[in-house]
Amino acid sequence: RKEVEQDPGPFNVPEGATVAFNCTYSNSASQSFFWYRQDCRKEPKLLMSVYSSGNEDGRFTAQLNRASQYISLLIRDSKLSDSATYLCVAARGGSYIPTFGRGTSLIVHP
Amino acid sequence: NAGVTQTPKFQVLKTGQSMTLQCAQDMNHNSMYWYRQDPGMGLRLIYYSASEGTTDKGEVPNGYNVSRLNKREFSLRLESAAPSQTSVYFCASSEGSSLTEAFFGQGTRLTVV
Repeated sequence: RKEVEQDPGPFNVPEGATVAFNCTYSNSASQSFFWYRQDCRKEPKLLMSVYSSGNEDGRFTAQLNRASQYISLLIRDSKLSDSATYLCVAARGGSYIPTFGRGTSLIVHP
Repeated sequence: NAGVTQTPKFQVLKTGQSMTLQCAQDMNHNSMYWYRQDPGMGLRLIYYSASEGTTDKGEVPNGYNVSRLNKREFSLRLESAAPSQTSVYFCASSEGSSLTEAFFGQGTRLTVV
C-alpha cells in the first residue's frame, strides 16, 4: 500500500463545475502537505500548501484532517485550463522527504 | 533564473549500457532528490540528498547510484541499464525544511531497448 493514496480518476467535469479530490496518507509522522499540479509531459509544480486550519487561493481550497489522515482539494468554477493531474504530497518532518500520491486526473470540457 | 536544470532531456540506451543523468540547481537549496515516474505509479523516490555530502536510498534505489558532487549538483547513474528502467526521471530540490516546496527539473525521458 502506498504511503499516499489518491483516486486516479479521471474526473470529467464541465466548465463551471465544482470538483473535489481527496487524498489519504498512512504515515502519522507526516507534518507538511501540499498539492502539486502536473500538466501532460511537464514537471510537477506547486499548486498550494495545505494548512491545518484550511486555506484558500482563489478558486482553490485545501483542507487537512489530521485525525482521519486525509487531505482534500476543492476547485470551484472549473476552467478548461484546470485540466491536469493533481498530485497530493505528504512530507515527514526531520529529513523532509516529499512522498507523492499517484495523482488524480482532471478533464474539464466545454 | 534557471531553477533546476536536468540533462539530457531524452535518451535511448541499449540494455547493459551505462549513463549518468545530470542535475543542477541554482537556488542554494540543501536537499536534492531523484524521482522516477511511470504510468499508474506516480512519482517514486529513487535517492535523495538531505545536504551536501550525504545521500540516502529512497523507495526504489536498486540499479542506481548517485553522487552529490557539491551543493548545486546531484547526478544519477545507471551502471547497466535494463528495460525496466524505461521511465521519466525528475530531479528536484528544496531548502530541506518541512514547510518549503520542492522545485522540479523538466525531466529526462529514458528508453532502454
